[in-house]
Amino acid sequence: GQSLEQPSEVTAVEGAIVQINCTYQTSGFNGLFWYQQHAGEAPTFLSYNVLDGLEEKGRFSSFLSRSKGYSYLLLKELQMKDSASYLCAVKGDYKLSFGAGTTVTVRA
Amino acid sequence: NAGVTQTPKFQVLKTGQSMTLQCAQDMNHEYMSWYRQDPGMGLRLIHYSVGAGITDQGEVPNGYNVSRSTTEDFPLRLLSAAPSQTSVYFCASSYPTSGRSISEQFFGPGTRLTVL
Repeated sequence: GQSLEQPSEVTAVEGAIVQINCTYQTSGFNGLFWYQQHAGEAPTFLSYNVLDGLEEKGRFSSFLSRSKGYSYLLLKELQMKDSASYLCAVKGDYKLSFGAGTTVTVRA
Repeated sequence: NAGVTQTPKFQVLKTGQSMTLQCAQDMNHEYMSWYRQDPGMGLRLIHYSVGAGITDQGEVPNGYNVSRSTTEDFPLRLLSAAPSQTSVYFCASSYPTSGRSISEQFFGPGTRLTVL
């Protein structure tokens, strides 16, 4: 089976940098996704890592260490619109297993 | 393209009633799935399908049925609704990749279901 752990909440000020950690244990690993979900809306894709290292996409970066079962999502230059829940998900055979999500609150 | 659509957006049922949540996609995706989302528990996979005529169970399949007669549609049926099925339901689709993997999933807007 799969288990994923994320912190439940993070608060930061506009313009700051926030790191959201995700640790996982899995019987089969085919990659790790990060999704963003605003309140009352559907999740939307942010990033995907299958090999170790850092993937950068504008203000968002995601890191993966397969040997440690660990990933993080880095949000730079925080904006108010980044207030949302961030979900990590591990990919197995035809299935995604999601963490409970981390709620990021951005303060002015 | 409309992407992934779901109907209805909201639904209230009484215990024991049955209903079907509709999901359709116009991206010709082979892979489709249903999730439920409950506070503090993240998204949990109910059922999934890798193509027309092929379905399989996810993490929490009890009380739900699915079928996949076409590539576009993947309805979720609640056989006899229970208060424990009060949740937000999301349908998602994606291209399959090589082997038994799947790519980025596109989610529908969700159906908010309350069972009294």
